Amino acid sequence: AQKVTQAQTEISVVEKEDVTLDCVYETRDTTYYLFWYKQPPSGELVFLIRRNSFDEQNEISGRYSWNFQKSTSSFNFTITASQVVDSAVYFCALSVNTGNQFYFGTGTSLTVIP
Amino acid sequence: NAGVTQTPKFQVLKTGQSMTLQCAQDMNHEYMSWYRQDPGMGLRLIHYSVGAGITDQGEVPNGYNVSRSTTEDFPLRLLSAAPSQTSVYFCASTPRWRTGGQPQHFGDGTRLSIL
Repeated sequence: AQKVTQAQTEISVVEKEDVTLDCVYETRDTTYYLFWYKQPPSGELVFLIRRNSFDEQNEISGRYSWNFQKSTSSFNFTITASQVVDSAVYFCALSVNTGNQFYFGTGTSLTVIP
Repeated sequence: NAGVTQTPKFQVLKTGQSMTLQCAQDMNHEYMSWYRQDPGMGLRLIHYSVGAGITDQGEVPNGYNVSRSTTEDFPLRLLSAAPSQTSVYFCASTPRWRTGGQPQHFGDGTRLSIL
């Protein structure tokens, strides 16, 4: 069975602080994919990143970075120098092998205080 | 390209009423799915389809029906609405069935309240 855990329900930070959103996953498949989505207050789901199980390289995109560690089954997301526009709910998700179904975590609500 | 289009955006129903949530995609995607989003529970899969004429149940299918008569459309039907079905509903699609790692393309959601 697949499972994604986002233990942080809500996080508040002051603008310009760094913040890390945690994601821990469970699967017995050796081929799997991890995703992060952003859901701003307007409600749509915005795709941020995909990582496959064979690629443990960390990735940086502007102020965003992702740390994938198979040893701890984690795929954490860091926002550097947070901004008010980063306020949103962030979802981590898992899909396995050739399947299309996503298994979502419960989301982390991030509030950036100006 | 419009992507994935959901209608309506908001709806209020009375218990026992029926309703169809519409979902259409113009990307010729094979795989389409419906999720519901509830506070503290993330998104959960209701039903999915791997092509026209083929549908199957997800994690929380009870109370919902689907059909896929064309590649483009994947409507979700509530036959007799219950307050427990108050939720935000998202339709999503991916290009190919059984090709792993594809990001889901989501519609903007339908916020449904059952009184």
